[in-house]
Amino acid sequence: NAGVTQTPKFRVLKTGQSMTLLCAQDMNHEYMYWYRQDPGMGLRLIHYSVGEGTTAKGEVPDGYNVSRLKKQNFLLGLESAAPSQTSVYFCASSPGVSAGLVKGNEQFFGPGTRLTVL
Amino acid sequence: AQSVTQPDIHITVSEGASLELRCNYSYGATPYLFWYVQSPGQGLQLLLKYFSGDTLVQGIKGFEAEFKRSQSSFNLRKPSVHWSDAAEYFCAVGAGTGGFKTIFGAGTRLFVKA
Repeated sequence: NAGVTQTPKFRVLKTGQSMTLLCAQDMNHEYMYWYRQDPGMGLRLIHYSVGEGTTAKGEVPDGYNVSRLKKQNFLLGLESAAPSQTSVYFCASSPGVSAGLVKGNEQFFGPGTRLTVL
Repeated sequence: AQSVTQPDIHITVSEGASLELRCNYSYGATPYLFWYVQSPGQGLQLLLKYFSGDTLVQGIKGFEAEFKRSQSSFNLRKPSVHWSDAAEYFCAVGAGTGGFKTIFGAGTRLFVKA
């Protein structure tokens, strides 16, 4: 099991460029999440998905879009990158409520993508 | 609104000493509570979790945490710290239906001195 993988690991963009971050999980998890991590602010939820074909906004969704066309993949898009989007991005997945309350909420994280927007 | 506060930005302890990391939460109902650890350059790993039942929960790597409803706290403890415990620790509360939206604290960075 690879767990949760993220592509790419590092990326540098110029303001206004677009890019897509890919997250993949091989644990058959229902729920997937995208977070950004900034110094002193912990992790903030950008978007999440509770199942294939469904997405929802998190705490800081502006400037980002997501898609979950396949259960195992969750894509995060930046249409027009801004310096304020310089951050480390983490993807996570969890089994979901169908796995029961004890196991269902445990999140498994990918290694992160460090994005710099110049 | 739900929130998590970790009052200590960083803590330094000597190897072999005991450790307590503080966490306070704000949540209207019975919370789902977690502690995660992040080693440098890595993603987060779950240390332990509390949903219900015994208020003292055991986790991996010798960590434990105690849920105190009256104090809205979920402090993380370890009796004897090892140098490999140096990392950043995040307390989190599960919000939303079934707790699947997790709100993280700002983190506490632990330094271990020899």
